[in-house]
This record gives sequence, C-alpha cells and structure tokens, in this order.
Amino acid sequence: TQLLEQSPQFLSIQEGENLTVYCNSSSVFSSLQWYRQEPGEGPVLLVTVVTGGEVKKLKRLTFQFGDARKDSSLHITAAQPGDTGLYLCAGVSAGNNRKLIWGLGTSLAVNP
Amino acid sequence: KAGVTQTPRYLIKTRGQQVTLSCSPISGHRSVSWYQQTPGQGLQFLFEYFSETQRNKGNFPGRFSGRQFSNSRSEMNVSTLELGDSALYLCASSFQGTTEAFFGQGTRLTVV
Repeated sequence: TQLLEQSPQFLSIQEGENLTVYCNSSSVFSSLQWYRQEPGEGPVLLVTVVTGGEVKKLKRLTFQFGDARKDSSLHITAAQPGDTGLYLCAGVSAGNNRKLIWGLGTSLAVNP
Repeated sequence: KAGVTQTPRYLIKTRGQQVTLSCSPISGHRSVSWYQQTPGQGLQFLFEYFSETQRNKGNFPGRFSGRQFSNSRSEMNVSTLELGDSALYLCASSFQGTTEAFFGQGTRLTVV
C-alpha cells in the first residue's frame, strides 16, 4: 500500500517566519501535487512537480520534488496570515492506473 | 469558467436515513471523483467516474454508491446512515488524461 507521510502535522508560527513542510514516501511517484485547503472550502491545487529534483516557485512558496521522486517539500518564506490553511500533498502512482495517493496534511496557522 | 458545484452545502440527517449529494463538474471535465474528509482520516477516496462508468473504487462499504450522468454530473448516495458517516464530502473533477483535481466546496454532512 502506498502511503504519503506529511510532517509536521500542525504548525503555528508568527507572521514573517519561514517554514518547511515535508511529504515523504517509500514509493516512487510519477508526479506530485500540492494543494491548500482553507476552512469550509475544498482543496485548491497549488503546483504539480514532475521531474526528480525539480524546483518550482510560486511567489513566496518554493516546492521541491526529491531526486528519487519519493518525497517533496514546501518552503514558505516570510509567512503571512493569508497562508493559513491545510497543506496537502498528493502523489500520482506510477503505472497505468494513475491514482492520487493523499497525505493527511499539515495544518498551518500564521499569527499576525 | 464556472468551478465545481456541490449541493447541498450542509445537511443534517438522522441515523438510518439515506442521503444523495450532487456534483456538477467544470465544463469539459468528464472525470469526477468523490472523497470523504474527516479530521482523523484525511481525504479518503470513495470512487471515480468517467463517461458514466465507475473507473476506480475505494475501500468503503456498499452503503456508499455513486453514478454519473451523460452530462458528466455525478451523484453519490449513502444509505442507512451511521454516526461515523459525518464528514465533509468533496467532489473533484479532472480534465481527460490529467490527474490534477479541481474540488468543489464540499457538502458537510452531519448524522445525528
């Protein structure tokens, strides 16, 4: 069974701080997606990383896919209250049956 | 382009009753997936439909069922509701051949 572990589970920081959240697995994924979910809403896709070692930037957010395509990280620089939410990673299983394997998420609270 | 629409947003049902939830995907998206989200279990995959056919199914009891219509709209039904069915039910649509999921706002189901 493919599993994606996200850490930390909860994170509470002050505005302006930097943070990194992790998404790890023992399985190889063909690609990996990051989503952010705000309370009362559905998850919203932030980025998809496809190539091992790939780095993508979205304003203050930096996403990295591990060289072996088994793990990923999300780094936020100078966090703002608007970054508050649940960050979910989802790996796309390799092979013909491309299913999304979801992590449990990192709940981030950025305090003003 | 309009996003994924789920109705109703909130629902309160009694144990033993049944419920039907509706999802209208983004225009042009033929794949619709359903998820159950709870704080402890995260996003749990229920099933995926493509062109009116169930393509994938998660590990949920037979009380959970779904269908998709020719216009790609989808419904899911839960019969004989249990207290543990209380959750946020999310629908996501995807464009053919892709795995990126576009979620609706969800239906918050409370079983009392």
